[in-house]
Parts: sequence; C-alpha cells; structure tokens
Amino acid sequence: DQQVKQNSPSLSVQEGRISILNCDYTNSMFDYFLWYKKYPAEGPTFLISISSIKDKNEDGRFTVFLNKSAKHLSLHIVPSQPGDSAVYFCAAVIQGAQKLVFGQGTRLTINP
Amino acid sequence: DAGVIQSPRHEVTEMGQEVTLRCKPISGHNSLFWYRQTMMRGLELLIYFNNNVPIDDSGMPEDRFSAKMPNASFSTLKIQPSEPRDSAVYFCASKIRQGGAYEQYFGPGTRLTVT
Repeated sequence: DQQVKQNSPSLSVQEGRISILNCDYTNSMFDYFLWYKKYPAEGPTFLISISSIKDKNEDGRFTVFLNKSAKHLSLHIVPSQPGDSAVYFCAAVIQGAQKLVFGQGTRLTINP
Repeated sequence: DAGVIQSPRHEVTEMGQEVTLRCKPISGHNSLFWYRQTMMRGLELLIYFNNNVPIDDSGMPEDRFSAKMPNASFSTLKIQPSEPRDSAVYFCASKIRQGGAYEQYFGPGTRLTVT
C-alpha cells in the first residue's frame, strides 16, 4: 500500500524553464511534507518542507505547494539549472511522529 | 561539521555470509534511522532509535536482520545469513528529536551486493 506516490518516474526540462514535480498521498493523517534531492552515490539531502497549515512555502528558486483537499503537493523549481538534475523524493509524516514515508522518486534531467 | 558517516561504502559478499553495516550519526542528534533503497520498493524504513532505544522495527524484513545502537555515536545493521535479495543501498539517517523538527540527515549509503 503506497501512501505517498510520485507517478512520474522521470521528467526532462530545458535549462531556464520551470520544473514541476508532483506528489500525491492517500493518508489524510499526514500533516507535514518534505522534499529531498538525491545525487548518484550520495544520500538524500533535505530541500524544503511545508506544514499542512500552509499552502505554499518558498525558498529561493524552490517553492512547494500543498493542496490538502486533493491530497497533492508539488515542487516548483524556477529557473531550472543543470545542477538541479537529480532524483527528487517527496516524504510525508504525521506531526508528532517520527516516521517519514517516501514516494518512489522522480528523476529530473535539466537539458542545456 | 561532519555529516552522517557510514561504512563500508560498498560491500560485496557471498550468500550465507554475515554482513555488518555501520553508522555514526551527527553529533547531538538523538534519533537514528536505517533505510533500505531498492528499485522495487523505493526507500523504506527498516528501524529507528530514539536515545539509543529501538522504537519501531516493524520494517525489518525478517529475523535475519538485526540492529543495535550501543551508544549515541554508533549503530550497526547486521544481516545473518545474507541472501541475494538483500542486495540494495542501505542508508542511515539521524535527526534531533524535538517538536517541529522532522528533517532527517542522511549518510552516503552502503551499497550491498550479495552474490
């Protein structure tokens, strides 16, 4: 039972354009969400997060949007840069708990 | 400041052998997590510790897997006996256990190949 789903295994975007990565969840108890970025042969690194009391959180080129009614979140990267090429994981947690539930990941490729 | 340290980075072993993976969490972090990443199942939590005490091991696949945390700066994940289906990348992560802090910091992982 996959509680957090990233339905696009891969995404290719031209440099300078906007990258939009999507994530859906099924457990309505989740109320905190995180995005991680992973380069080959490295561990995932934390990128940005959002609490369910917000619908948007922005950090530089990265913005996460949360639509609670649709149980959907997205990560926007603008403008996209070659260094953004990586696998992106979304994760969800119930506040007060410790266990992160990860999606399968989306491989983002930024083309020059 | 050093991040999470894992050793070895790569391990190749034969079926039936014992494998021990090691992790040193970030100093001051009091929660530690072991994950396994495979193509089929993605990134799945195996076990986590708070203040060196195992809290939830429901993700440990079977009795062949065991994990210990003898002190705040060291943890091991042991597989005995190993099987080819255990081949995966194993990550250790740590975090500060306090309200509102959910970000976990991952080590570089150990790539395990069981032949």
